[in-house]
Amino acid sequence: AQRVTQPEKLLSVFKGAPVELKCNYSYSGSPELFWYVQYSRQRLQLLLRHISRESIKGFTADLNKGETSFHLKKPFAQEEDSAMYYCALRGRGNEKLTFGTGTRLTIIP
Amino acid sequence: DAGITQSPRHKVTETGTPVTLRCHQTENHRYMYWYRQDPGHGLRLIHYSYGVKDTDKGEVSDGYSVSRSKTEDFLLTLESATSSQTSVYFCAISEGASEKLFFGSGTQLSVL
Repeated sequence: AQRVTQPEKLLSVFKGAPVELKCNYSYSGSPELFWYVQYSRQRLQLLLRHISRESIKGFTADLNKGETSFHLKKPFAQEEDSAMYYCALRGRGNEKLTFGTGTRLTIIP
Repeated sequence: DAGITQSPRHKVTETGTPVTLRCHQTENHRYMYWYRQDPGHGLRLIHYSYGVKDTDKGEVSDGYSVSRSKTEDFLLTLESATSSQTSVYFCAISEGASEKLFFGSGTQLSVL
């Protein structure tokens, strides 16, 4: 079975402060990990995936297989980062994408 | 935005009535998914399709059925709606099994 845990339902961070949204997963094989984001009044969209190892809007995430984590980080929060963030996992060869419960990030001006 | 349209956008219905939600895509993507979004549960997969007439169950499929008779349309039916099915329903599409998902705008369903 594959499972994704996001321990924080709500996270408030001051503008300019570092952000870290936690994501832990459970999967016996080699997973693909993703972060999806939903801004106010917009559709849910892909923010980044671990395979591409790219930085989107200043966010990065590193897959740590030892700790089974895929935390999302940004060094300096901006007001436009306020949104709902979902971590997601897909097992290799699996068509199903499993989402965590989400973290609502609020950036305080 | 990818060409995904969900209808209706909002629906209020009574317990015991059948309800059908429609997802329409213009991207010719092979995979289509139905998720429900609930506070404290995040997004949970109901059913998905990997081709015309090819569907499979997700983690919360009880009480739901789907049909895909054309590439562009994926229908979700609640056979006999219950209050526990009050939720926001999202359709998503992807070009391949390992590709990223594109989401629709969602359907807010209230079962009274």
